[in-house]
Amino acid sequence: QKEVEQNSGPLSVPEGAIASLNCTYSDRGSQSFFWYRQYSGKSPELIMSIYSNGDKEDGRFTAQLNKASQYVSLLIRDSQPSDSATYLCAVIPGSARQLTFGSGTQLTVLP
Amino acid sequence: NAGVMQNPRHLVRRRGQEARLRCSPMKGHSHVYWYRQLPEEGLKFMVYLQKENIIDESGMPKERFSAEFPKEGPSILRIQQVVRGDSAAYFCASSSGGLTEAFFGQGTRLTVV
Repeated sequence: QKEVEQNSGPLSVPEGAIASLNCTYSDRGSQSFFWYRQYSGKSPELIMSIYSNGDKEDGRFTAQLNKASQYVSLLIRDSQPSDSATYLCAVIPGSARQLTFGSGTQLTVLP
Repeated sequence: NAGVMQNPRHLVRRRGQEARLRCSPMKGHSHVYWYRQLPEEGLKFMVYLQKENIIDESGMPKERFSAEFPKEGPSILRIQQVVRGDSAAYFCASSSGGLTEAFFGQGTRLTVV
């Protein structure tokens, strides 16, 4: 079982819709959770971090964490074509010190 | 406030040569991660360092690859006797350690010819 799993997509949503990206992790002791965005040919950019159960909102982005279900998600409201990118879920597992990434979900927002 | 700086941005090496990739962390950060990314693939963890200390090198190939983060100066990822399969984007990220956020540099694109 992979430590961090994401649906690879591609996920397509129309402009203005809500995009929902999901991630599960295997280490129940994990404490830090992050979402990065990576445009093609560019480096990953941190967009959200979440450390406790519940929702965290920042502009059009909402991160949701459920430690009991070992599940973290990212919602993008009012999606724009400029949101088209690969979204990477990252976790610091309780058993390791490294920042571990999922394989990413490719999102396309259609005009 | 400068971000994470990597150089060079592009590096071309012939098979058998050595490649040295540099990473200067953000101001105030004492921890560095190195990742490798092949085209259309995910980020593969290589090594996690603190100044003068390797914390986790479980992702480093056993041969030809080494990394250091000295007390002064940038972190260095060194690849000896490069082969075509080493061609990839190499990213470093820095953090202040513990469970905190990590920020990425622009990456070094290594091409082995």
